[in-house]
Amino acid sequence: DQQVKQNSPSLSVQEGRISILNCDYTNSMFDYFLWYKKYPAEGPTFLISISSIKDKNEDGRFTVFLNKSAKHLSLHIVPSQPGDSAVYFCAAYGYNFNKFYFGSGTKLNVKP
Amino acid sequence: GAVVSQHPSWVICKSGTSVKIECRSLDFQATTMFWYRQFPKQSLMLMATSNEGSKATYEQGVEKDKFLINHASLTLSTLTVTSAHPEDSSFYICSANNRQGGLTDTQYFGPGTRLTVL
Repeated sequence: DQQVKQNSPSLSVQEGRISILNCDYTNSMFDYFLWYKKYPAEGPTFLISISSIKDKNEDGRFTVFLNKSAKHLSLHIVPSQPGDSAVYFCAAYGYNFNKFYFGSGTKLNVKP
Repeated sequence: GAVVSQHPSWVICKSGTSVKIECRSLDFQATTMFWYRQFPKQSLMLMATSNEGSKATYEQGVEKDKFLINHASLTLSTLTVTSAHPEDSSFYICSANNRQGGLTDTQYFGPGTRLTVL
């Protein structure tokens, strides 16, 4: 039962351009959403989160957008840098069911 | 897609007791499973790598005698928090990949287990 999906396993972007990573979910009861960044041989690092009561959260070059009607969230990275090359996971959490649901990840490659 | 389950999803225990958390890969064989600890809205901290049939590899700073890991079969890894204390209260999340190797990109995460130690 995949409640959180990242349909693009990989994405390649030129340095300086915008990277857009997408995530879809099925349960409207999620309370907040998180994005993690993962380098090889390391655990995922928390990047940015958004509460279900908001539609946008911005932190430096990273912005997360939440479209509740479409059950879709996206992570925008502007401008993209080679150091952003990593695997990005989105995750959703619901207080009522007390569980995390992770997407399968999107591998971002930012070309110099 | 690959599914990883954890049991229990939430456990409350008294200080000094031991708690066992199970991580199962439901539709694939996982030679390697990973155990993470997460604090609210923070990064997942890798605690250990669990390899089927061999001893787990612990990350620096993680007490192996306190966090016992057993990977008895290709679909099951367990984490036992021994003599739990309130500071052990956290979310514990496992992940698995369905091919041999180390901490590769393709990992399937379990839903997490919330441990609350009173």
